[in-house]
Amino acid sequence: GQNIDQPTEMTATEGAIVQINCTYQTSGFNGLFWYQQHAGEAPTFLSYNVLDGLEEKGRFSSFLSRSKGYSYLLLKELQMKDSASYLCAVEGSGAGSYQLTFGKGTKLSVIP
Amino acid sequence: GAGVSQTPSNKVTEKGKYVELRCDPISGHTALYWYRQSLGQGPEFLIYFQGTGAADDSGLPNDRFFAVRPEGSVSTLKIQRTERGDSAVYLCASSRDGEQYFGPGTRLTVT
Repeated sequence: GQNIDQPTEMTATEGAIVQINCTYQTSGFNGLFWYQQHAGEAPTFLSYNVLDGLEEKGRFSSFLSRSKGYSYLLLKELQMKDSASYLCAVEGSGAGSYQLTFGKGTKLSVIP
Repeated sequence: GAGVSQTPSNKVTEKGKYVELRCDPISGHTALYWYRQSLGQGPEFLIYFQGTGAADDSGLPNDRFFAVRPEGSVSTLKIQRTERGDSAVYLCASSRDGEQYFGPGTRLTVT
């Protein structure tokens, strides 16, 4: 079966750094996405990892280790607007290579 | 518009009724996906279209759910004999070559 685990909730201070972990056990793997979702809104794309290593994009970085079935999203210089749910999604874990299987999301609260 | 749009934004219906949810993908995106998201959960895959055809409908929970995309653009998700357990946010996404762009979703409430 498909299993994607991430912490349910996290709290961090404005200006700090936070790391959100995601572990996965899936029958297939083509890549891993991170999405940000504010309450009541659609998920928006943050990052996509196919190869092992770190992908950096501004204040956000994402890391992947395929051998360990592990990824993390790193958010630097936290801002209040970063309070949202962060969704880890594996591509290719279902019947089709395009399918995304999502974790339950990590609700991040940024406090002053 | 530039993004994926979905209508209605909210839909309240009585148990047993029929509903249709509409998705307008980004122009030029050949792939279209429907997901369902319950409170506190990540989106759950329902169905995938490539062009006009349903390439994969393995995520549809039962035969009360059906989706069409007759002209390869707009898609409609149809739910017959709605049940309270169908209450969720129904998300549509489209893509051209990988990254999926999500619409704002339709919040369906079955009373």
